[in-house]
Amino acid sequence: NAGVTQTPKFQVLKTGQSMTLQCAQDMNHEYMSWYRQDPGMGLRLIHYSVGAGITDQGEVPNGYNVSRSTTEDFPLRLLSAAPSQTSVYFCASRPQGVSYEQYFGPGTRLTVT
Amino acid sequence: AQKVTQAQTEISVVEKEDVTLDCVYETRDTTYYLFWYKQPPSGELVFLIRRNSFDEQNEISGRYSWNFQKSTSSFNFTITASQVVDSAVYFCALSEMNYGQNFVFGPGTRLSVLP
Repeated sequence: NAGVTQTPKFQVLKTGQSMTLQCAQDMNHEYMSWYRQDPGMGLRLIHYSVGAGITDQGEVPNGYNVSRSTTEDFPLRLLSAAPSQTSVYFCASRPQGVSYEQYFGPGTRLTVT
Repeated sequence: AQKVTQAQTEISVVEKEDVTLDCVYETRDTTYYLFWYKQPPSGELVFLIRRNSFDEQNEISGRYSWNFQKSTSSFNFTITASQVVDSAVYFCALSEMNYGQNFVFGPGTRLSVLP
C-alpha cells in the first residue's frame, strides 16, 4: 500500500494564481482531511470529508475549495493564491470513527509570492 | 469547544536526559481520544499513541511513556534517556465522540536533544 500520497511536494505560485493540490489514499478510508501547518500554530483543519460526495469546512476554509468524487481522492483547490496561504499542507485519512488515528501524507510546501 | 494546549514551545536537553512534554486538553465530551504524533526534521507526521478517555492506565513503549490523568485533563509524554534521534516536533491531539469528527491539534513542542 502506498498509504496517503500528495503531489506536488513543492510549489511556488504568484499572487492570484490558482492551483490544485492532489491527495490520494489506497486504504479505503472514508474520512479524509486537509490541514495547513504554520510555525507555532500546529496543524489547522481546512476542509474534511466523511465520504464520497460529502465535504465540510474546518477551522480555516477561506480561499480553499474541495470536492470528493471518489473514496480515494480529495483534491484541495486554491482559488486565487495569496501570500497568507504560504504554508505546508498535509492531507490525512482514517477509517470512519473518531477513535482511529489519522494517516498523513508527506506534505506539500507551498510558497505564494 | 475542544482545545489542546502544549505550553512548552521549545525544549533542549542533553542526550541521556529524561524529558517530559506536557499536553493539557479541554473537552465537554465524556468519550474522547487523545493522540501523540512526532514530526522529525524530515517533515512527515508519525503516529505514536492513542488513548481513550476510559483508560487511565499509563503506557510504556521502550523509552517512551505516557501519563494520562483525567483529573487534571493532561496527557503527558516522557522520553527516558533521550537520544539525538528524538529531536522533533511533538504534537498532542484530541478527538471527541459526540461533538464532531475532527482532530484538534496542539501547537506542538520542539524538542532538541544535543549530543
